[in-house]
Amino acid sequence: GAVVSQHPSWVICKSGTSVKIECRSLDFQATTMFWYRQFPKQSLMLMATSNEGSKATYEQGVEKDKFLINHASLTLSTLTVTSAHPEDSSFYICSARVLAGDEQYFGPGTRLTVT
Amino acid sequence: QKEVEQDPGPLSVPEGAIVSLNCTYSNSAFQYFMWYRQYSRKGPELLMYTYSSGNKEDGRFTAQVDKSSKYISLFIRDSQPSDSATYLCAMTFGNKLVFGAGTILRVKS
Repeated sequence: GAVVSQHPSWVICKSGTSVKIECRSLDFQATTMFWYRQFPKQSLMLMATSNEGSKATYEQGVEKDKFLINHASLTLSTLTVTSAHPEDSSFYICSARVLAGDEQYFGPGTRLTVT
Repeated sequence: QKEVEQDPGPLSVPEGAIVSLNCTYSNSAFQYFMWYRQYSRKGPELLMYTYSSGNKEDGRFTAQVDKSSKYISLFIRDSQPSDSATYLCAMTFGNKLVFGAGTILRVKS
């Protein structure tokens, strides 16, 4: 149990375009989902916290107009990187927190390359 | 000073060894303690989860928490080459996880 999926697993896009990443909790409901970014050989950096049906809360230094987050249901959150630039190239990972607990389960990650 | 300190390693051990991974923390408000394993280019996988001082065992893994010393450990018995990965300790603060830097473990066959 406690499986989180992400789609796509790898995406290449041109500079200036937008990319949407989906995060789904497959076998449990999650009122709260999180989006992280990870650079090579570094730990995870929390970008934002998304709660179902409400606006996401962004960490300091994360541009909310660039990284659009939607959490439309208890099993789906999306991250859209708008007007992507090469510096946005990174590994993006989502996690979902179980409803009646504190455990967070992570998706497999999405590797974004902006050319 | 970081809230969670974790030696990045790498830690190299022979197959079959007992591995000890550790984190110290400074914030006594941390409530829950977790260990994740992350393989290269994959998302972290939850290994152990505990909230009280003491030991918790699951197969070859034992998680230990000492809240008085603000110290947590993960022990891996009979380590295997497939255990080679980065191990992240994490602690909850409200809704969020605070991570250590991660320790790279290499188990040599």
